This record gives sequence, C-alpha cells and structure tokens, in this order.
Amino acid sequence: QQQVRQSPQSLTVWEGETAILNCSYEDSTFNYFPWYQQFPGEGPALLISIRSVSDKKEDGRFTIFFNKREKKLSLHITDSQPGDSATYFCAASTGGSALGRLHFGAGTQLIVIP
Amino acid sequence: GPKVLQIPSHQIIDMGQMVTLNCDPVSNHLYFYWYKQILGQQMEFLVNFYNGKVMEKSKLFKDQFSVERPDGSYFTLKIQPTALEDSAVYFCASSFDNQAPLFGEGTRLSVL
Repeated sequence: QQQVRQSPQSLTVWEGETAILNCSYEDSTFNYFPWYQQFPGEGPALLISIRSVSDKKEDGRFTIFFNKREKKLSLHITDSQPGDSATYFCAASTGGSALGRLHFGAGTQLIVIP
Repeated sequence: GPKVLQIPSHQIIDMGQMVTLNCDPVSNHLYFYWYKQILGQQMEFLVNFYNGKVMEKSKLFKDQFSVERPDGSYFTLKIQPTALEDSAVYFCASSFDNQAPLFGEGTRLSVL
C-alpha cells in the first residue's frame, strides 16, 4: 500500500510560470513532510519541509501548502526556471527519532521550457 | 556544505557474491540510513542505525543484508549473497538530531 502519492507524474511548464506539484498521504500520524529535488545521476537534496502544525511554509520561490484535514499538500514553484527541471519527491515521516524514516512518493518530473 | 559520500558510485557483481557498499556520513551526524531505489520507482527505506544499533528495518531488509559502522569508519551495507532483485541504486543518508536526512549520490549496484 502506497503511503504517499504524488501527482502528476510529469509536468511541463514555461519559464516564468508557476508549477504546482501535488502530494497526499494515508497515515494520519505523519507530521513531517520534506520535499526533495533530484537531478539525474545525483542523490535527492532537501528543498523545503513543513511540519503538520503549519499550513504554509515559504522559502524564496518555493512554497508548501498543507491541508491536514484532507491529508494533502502541494509544492508551488513560482517563476519557474529551466534550472528547476528535476524530479521532486514528497516524503513523510512521524517525526521525532523517526524523522529520517521517510516514506517517499513516486516523484513528479518537472520540465521547465525556456 | 556537508556531504555524504558513497563509494563506489557503481558496482557490478555476479549473483551469489558478496558486496559491501560504503558510506562516509557527515562527521557530526548521529543517525544513518540506507534507502533503495529501483529504476523508475520510488525510494524505499531499508534501515536506520543509531548509537551502534539498528533502530528499524523494513521488509525489504532481507536476512542477507547487514549494516555496521565500526568506530570512526564507514557506515556499510553488506549483501551476502546477492540476488538479481538486489540490482538498484542504494542511497546512504545521515542526519543530526531532529533534522531531515542528507543523502549521498548513491551507489548503482548491478547484479548479473
């Protein structure tokens, strides 16, 4: 059973547009949600994260919107740049000492066209 | 910034042989992890390790798998014997207390 689901599988936007990547989860005990960015041939790099006590987290062009009741979150990338082209993974954990025990989604491949 | 280093980047091995994947975690990190990613699929948790002990392992962490980190040395994942389905990219990660883990660049394991 997939604990974390992502959509769409692939997303293409024009440079300057806002890309919206969606994520949902099953386990209501999840309380920590990092997003990782992965370029081909590299390991995933932490981009931004949110804890379930918040409904929004912003870092530059990247914003997470979190809806605890619906068990959904989304990553918004404003003013998308070609360098943002990568695979984005939503992950979840129960936090505390198990914070690094992450359940990953299957990823969204983002392509930004100049 | 700090990095998790994985050695080698690619390992090719015959089925049934033993393989050891090496990870050099960030020096002051306390928690260590191995994740497995089969091509085109999501990353799956294998095991986490803290204070010299396995804290949790998933059902993917078969009896043929073992981890250790002798003092001051690499955090290793050993597979003995290897099977064809062990072919994947294995990511090591480490973290300090209550922080998201930092991942290495992975070791691509090809079992023939």
